[in-house]
This record gives sequence, structure tokens and C-alpha cells, in this order.
Amino acid sequence: AQKVTQAQTEISVVEKEDVTLDCVYETRDTTYYLFWYKQPPSGELVFLIRRNSFDEQNEISGRYSWNFQKSTSSFNFTITASQVVDSAVYFCALSVHLRDDKIIFGKGTRLHILP
Amino acid sequence: DGGITQSPKYLFRKEGQNVTLSCEQNLNHDAMYWYRQDPGQGLRLIYYSQIVNDFQKGDIAEGYSVSREKKESFPLTVTSAQKNPTAFYLCASSDLTGFRQGNEQFFGPGTRLTVL
Repeated sequence: AQKVTQAQTEISVVEKEDVTLDCVYETRDTTYYLFWYKQPPSGELVFLIRRNSFDEQNEISGRYSWNFQKSTSSFNFTITASQVVDSAVYFCALSVHLRDDKIIFGKGTRLHILP
Repeated sequence: DGGITQSPKYLFRKEGQNVTLSCEQNLNHDAMYWYRQDPGQGLRLIYYSQIVNDFQKGDIAEGYSVSREKKESFPLTVTSAQKNPTAFYLCASSDLTGFRQGNEQFFGPGTRLTVL
């Protein structure tokens, strides 16, 4: 069975601090895809990144970075120098190759950036 | 602009009434999905469709129905059989080019349904 766990339900940090959102996944398949989505207060989910299981390189996009470690089944997301606009719910998700195109979402982490 | 539209943003209905939520996309995506979001629950898949005139049940299909008569449209009906319909409903679509290659889903703005 596939599963995504985001153990941090809610996090609050002061603006300009760095923050890491944890994501642990479970799958027995060797080919799979991992995603992060952002849900701002408006409600629409915004796609941030997709990673396939054969690419363990860390990814950096501006203030955002992602650390994928197959050894610990983790795909953590770090925001550097956080800003108030980063306040949102963040979802980690998993889909498995050669199955249907369903994406399995974690329960999300609500991030508060305090001014 | 290409994207997914859902209407209305807020919807109120009396208990026992069926209600249909609209979802339209102009991204030329083959696959479309309906999710339900409750506080603290994340997203749960209701129905999905990979091709016109075909759809499959997701994890929580009971009390819901869908149709896919056109590629661009995937309306969701919340029936009176759904015991707790008050929730935030999100529609999504994805490109199936390179089928099962883990293509990302793109989401609409959502409809917040309140049953009184």
C-alpha cells in the first residue's frame, strides 16, 4: 500500500527564519513520483515540484529547496528566509508508476509565517 | 488563459437536495479528478476520468455521481445519499501524455459547499 505522512500538522515561524516541512512516504514500488503542492488561503492547490524515484539530486528554486532521500523514504521541503506570503498549507504527494494516475496526498502541514 | 474553472465559489443547499458542481478545463487534458477536502483530512479522491464517457470510483465515491460527456467538462453531483456533504471540493486535471508517468495535476479554485 502507498502512504504519505506529514507529521507536522502546524508550524509557526517568524519571518526570515528558515523552515523545513517533513514528508515520509511508503511504497513497495521502485518507480514512483513525489510532489509538493501549496494551498494558499484562496484554496487553489499550486504545483511546486515533481521528482521521480531515480533522481535523488536535491532541487533548489529560489528560496525553496527539496531534499529527496530514498534511504529514509523522505522528501523534505525547506523554505529559506521565509516570508509572510509563504503562509499556506503544504501537501506532499505520491504516485506510483504503472498504476492508475491517482495521486496520494498527505494530510498537509499548515505553515504560519509571523511578521 | 488556460486553466480550470469551478463554479460557483460558494454554494448553499438544503439537506436532502441534490446539487451539481461544475468543472471545466481548457488545457486539453485527458484526465480529470474530483477531490473532497475536510479540515485536517487532506485531499480524498471521489471520482476520476481518463477518457470521455468513462470514469472510475475513487476512495469515497458513495453519495456522489459524475459524468464525462465532453473532454473539457467533468461535473460532480452530490446526492442526498451523501451523509455529510459539507466540504471543500476541488477539481483537477492532468495530461496523460506518457501515460502513467506521474504527471502533475492542475487544480481549480474549488467550491465550498454548505448544506443547511
